[in-house]
Amino acid sequence: GAVVSQHPSRVICKSGTSVKIECRSLDFQATTMFWYRQFPKKSLMLMATSNEGSKATYEQGVEKDKFLINHASLTLSTLTVTSAHPEDSSFYICSAFPTGALNQPQHFGDGTRLSIL
Amino acid sequence: QKEVEQNSGPLSVPEGAIASLNCTYSDRVSQSFFWYRQYSGKSPELIMSIYSNGDKEDGRFTAQLNKASQYVSLLIRDSQPSDSATYLCAARDMEYGNKLVFGAGTILRVKS
Repeated sequence: GAVVSQHPSRVICKSGTSVKIECRSLDFQATTMFWYRQFPKKSLMLMATSNEGSKATYEQGVEKDKFLINHASLTLSTLTVTSAHPEDSSFYICSAFPTGALNQPQHFGDGTRLSIL
Repeated sequence: QKEVEQNSGPLSVPEGAIASLNCTYSDRVSQSFFWYRQYSGKSPELIMSIYSNGDKEDGRFTAQLNKASQYVSLLIRDSQPSDSATYLCAARDMEYGNKLVFGAGTILRVKS
């Protein structure tokens, strides 16, 4: 089945550090990938839609300059949290579905738990 | 923006019972619906997908879709303590990049 790999699984770093999270589709190509954030005991919140070869589409209220998304290939999207602060501490999850398979479900990576000290 | 609504629960059922989870959606455009299970601290995992009216069964799970009434449900038969998790209902938004619109999730607790 479709597998999405996300790395790293956990990051602990100091305030002001920039953190890059990778999301890879291992056995399929994904023109579109999605980035979510989830706070404890809250639902998933879509941050942005990552589009291969073009700019990401950000949801309302998500700072583009804070959360940089790059989707340079059909199997890799990256999310960079720039100058992270404690309020950015959260669980970040990516997902993807195979290109052209409009009815296929999204498959999620295992998530990245980000803790900013 | 499409909306998906779920009762947040918690829904408590005894072990061996049938757990019934419900979801309604606000727009007729969505054609694809999904149920995900999320354990605490983990990412969502796909349980069922359903695209046509009626029932779809997979093991102990049955998804039901009624497009006229705009609701989707998930039945879990012979509930086990390991089924205790948050269940997320999602509808694909065909008009906005095929992104999924998630409900807030229903917490299910299966008591042994």
